Amino acid sequence: QKEVEQNSGPLSVPEGAIASLNCTYSDRGSQSFFWYRQYSGKSPELIMSIYSNGDKEDGRFTAQLNKASQYVSLLIRDSQPSDSATYLCAVIVSGGYNKLIFGAGTRLAVHP
Amino acid sequence: GAGVSQTPSNKVTEKGKYVELRCDPISGHTALYWYRQSLGQGPEFLIYFQGTGAADDSGLPNDRFFAVRPEGSVSTLKIQRTERGDSAVYLCASSDLGTDTQYFGPGTRLTVL
Repeated sequence: QKEVEQNSGPLSVPEGAIASLNCTYSDRGSQSFFWYRQYSGKSPELIMSIYSNGDKEDGRFTAQLNKASQYVSLLIRDSQPSDSATYLCAVIVSGGYNKLIFGAGTRLAVHP
Repeated sequence: GAGVSQTPSNKVTEKGKYVELRCDPISGHTALYWYRQSLGQGPEFLIYFQGTGAADDSGLPNDRFFAVRPEGSVSTLKIQRTERGDSAVYLCASSDLGTDTQYFGPGTRLTVL
């Protein structure tokens, strides 16, 4: 079992819809969770971090964390074509010296 | 302020050659990380520096890979006797003292022919 798993997609949503991206992780002791956005040919760009169970909102983005289910998600409201990218979920595992363990990413396509 | 910078942006080399990849972190960031990303995969951890010392080098794939950060700022990733399987994008990230949020540089695309 991979440490961080994501559906590779592509996830296709119409412009203006809500995009829901999901991630599961295997290390129950993980405490820090991140979502990065990566455009084709570019490096990862931090969108959000989340540390506590529940929701965290930042503009059109909401991160949700459920440590009991070992599940973290990212919701993008009012999706725009410019949101089309690969979204990477990353986790710092317990005892991991802050090294990020990434999932393979979910490709999101927002069509007009 | 300036972000993480990496040079070169692209490097093409022949199998068996030696390469050096450079990372200049965000000014004042004490932690520096190297990752490697292959096509269709997420970045994979290689090594982590806190200051001048390598706190965790568990991700280096073998002894052909080595990294230094002699003055606690700029870091160089060195790859000896390159192999075609080393072809990937090499990413550098840095974070500030006491935080775990990492900011990535633009990466170096290494191609080994």
